[in-house]
Amino acid sequence: KQEVTQIPAALSVPEGENLVLNCSFTDSAIYNLQWFRQDPGKGLTSLLLIQSSQREQTSGRLNASLDKSSGRSTLYIAASQPGDSATYLCAVSGAGSYQLTFGKGTKLSVIP
Amino acid sequence: EAQVTQNPRYLITVTGKKLTVTCSQNMNHEYMSWYRQDPGLGLRQIYYSMNVEVTDKGDVPEGYKVSRKEKRNFPLILESPSPNQTSLYFCASSLTSGSSYNEQFFGPGTRLTVL
Repeated sequence: KQEVTQIPAALSVPEGENLVLNCSFTDSAIYNLQWFRQDPGKGLTSLLLIQSSQREQTSGRLNASLDKSSGRSTLYIAASQPGDSATYLCAVSGAGSYQLTFGKGTKLSVIP
Repeated sequence: EAQVTQNPRYLITVTGKKLTVTCSQNMNHEYMSWYRQDPGLGLRQIYYSMNVEVTDKGDVPEGYKVSRKEKRNFPLILESPSPNQTSLYFCASSLTSGSSYNEQFFGPGTRLTVL
């Protein structure tokens, strides 16, 4: 059964820093990996989707990489801002499966 | 505007009183799914549907029912709610491609409290 782990569970950084969030998964037979943002009490907003054949995706200050063979993905946030404060979740979908497995998230706080 | 909507957004009920949480999407997505989110446990899939009249269990289906009579709607039914079903519920949808699916879009969530 697929397991997704996100480390650290919480992270606090000063404004302007570049930072990396980590996601690891146990079964490398994935179809895609998706990064989400969740604000307190709110729904999930999709940030980036990486297909299994891709190595990375970029959107603005965000860059997500995928290394299927090692079962890892990273989300890089450049020049962090207080508005980036949220919980970041990664989720993988398995090849041949319709299930999406989530990590428990990294709670990010960007201090002004 | 492309979106997934859920109703109600907040619900407080009592044990055993049947309830339905509705989910609707306007993106003509084939795939729809329900998740629950609990502190320390993260998001867990309850049920999913690949298309009209096609549904299957996720990781935590006990105590829930679903139906998919129309492509745009995927209601979640709790026939006899219990306090351990107190949670934050999310509906999601996506297109399907081959044997898996693409980017998932989430609704705003329904916070359910069962007393």
